[in-house]
Amino acid sequence: DAGVTQSPTHLIKTRGQQVTLRCSPKSGHDTVSWYQQALGQGPQFIFQYYEEEERQRGNFPDRFSGHQFPNYSSELNVNALLLGDSALYLCASSLDGLDYTGELFFGEGSRLTVL
Amino acid sequence: AQSVTQLDSHVSVSEGTPVLLRCNYSSSYSPSLFWYVQHPNKGLQLLLKYTSAATLVKGINGFEAEFKKSETSFHLTKPSAHMSDAAEYFCVVEGPTGYNNNDMRFGAGTRLTVKP
Repeated sequence: DAGVTQSPTHLIKTRGQQVTLRCSPKSGHDTVSWYQQALGQGPQFIFQYYEEEERQRGNFPDRFSGHQFPNYSSELNVNALLLGDSALYLCASSLDGLDYTGELFFGEGSRLTVL
Repeated sequence: AQSVTQLDSHVSVSEGTPVLLRCNYSSSYSPSLFWYVQHPNKGLQLLLKYTSAATLVKGINGFEAEFKKSETSFHLTKPSAHMSDAAEYFCVVEGPTGYNNNDMRFGAGTRLTVKP
């Protein structure tokens, strides 16, 4: 049973560029959440997708956007990159509704460096 | 809004000695609380969770945590540390129990070092 997979694992961009990160959830999971983990910090919630809609959003600017596809996979897009966007971006999947257990399953992350 | 404070950024223990990682929470309602572990180059993994059932929660790999409402604490313990326990540990609080809001607030983390 494949867990959560993310791509790419590492990438380097320059200020002002745009980046797209991808996530495939654990088999059977329909909800995908994205987190940003800066060096030495705990993950911070960016947003959550369910049924191809953004259901909830954390305190992040509109430069951060996402998408969920019919197969439940998801993308995170960041426009106009800033140096402060350098971080590990984590994708987490879970079940929804009555099947929700409170447990998030995380991928290994995509490490973004902005120069 | 809910939040957690991990009282130690770094804890160092010798192999075979007890582990104590401290976490205090703040919440205006009955929270769900979690401990996650992050090994280098690995995804975060759930150790245990508290969701208003028993106050002493047992998790994987011999870890347990006790929910103390009077002290607003949810400390993580293990009787005997193993070298493989060396990792980053995160205390997490979620919104009202039963809501799938995934508005999970992570602490800053505690790095556990285990010396031979």
